[in-house]
Amino acid sequence: EVQLVESGGGLVQPGGSLRLSCAASGFIFSNYPMHWVRQAPGTGLEYVSTITSDGGNTYYTNSVRGRFTVSRDNFKNTLYLQMGSLSTEDTAVYYCARGPRAADYWGQGTLVTVSS
Amino acid sequence: DVVMTQSPLSLPVTLGQPASISCWSSQSLVDSDGSTYLAWFQQRPGQSPRRLIYKVSNRDSGVPDRFSGSGSGTDFTLKISRVEAEDVGLYYCMQGTHWPYTFGQGTKLEIK
Repeated sequence: EVQLVESGGGLVQPGGSLRLSCAASGFIFSNYPMHWVRQAPGTGLEYVSTITSDGGNTYYTNSVRGRFTVSRDNFKNTLYLQMGSLSTEDTAVYYCARGPRAADYWGQGTLVTVSS
Repeated sequence: DVVMTQSPLSLPVTLGQPASISCWSSQSLVDSDGSTYLAWFQQRPGQSPRRLIYKVSNRDSGVPDRFSGSGSGTDFTLKISRVEAEDVGLYYCMQGTHWPYTFGQGTKLEIK
């Protein structure tokens, strides 16, 4: 059974940093691109970042480029999102999702709240 | 970025009746490989999104056959042949052709 379990969310002050993790199991992690998708409270879905299966290429939506870094460890079957210079607009549930393109499996999400 | 527009945003439906959601993209979703990467997602209250349809009309495993997708180019539709109580939730179209991938605003399906 495919499972994606996010962790690392929490309350952080504006300007702060946070690292999210996503532990994957039930499939060959190194074969799949992976995504981070977020959902701000009461709003829709936004693709934040994508990383290719080997980690060689990464993609970011404009609003996070230069502040967020996606990475993966194919030996540990884990996806990461390092988030920096956080603002209140980054408050959202962050989902880890399996690619390519339209994600077929999603985690339960981890809530990131940016507030003073 | 490609803008995805859905209609209607609110969809009250009587149990057993059909429902239809339209989705338009601001540019063609036909990729250079010839595929059209348009997907539909369902998000039930308090749950993560679930993919229902990929590449316009392919139903995911375990998705009831009352769900169907159609369309081409920039114009797409999700149809539910007979709405059941478990179908309540938000429905999103999503394009995976142009980065950043983008979602529609969401359509809230409720039972009348």
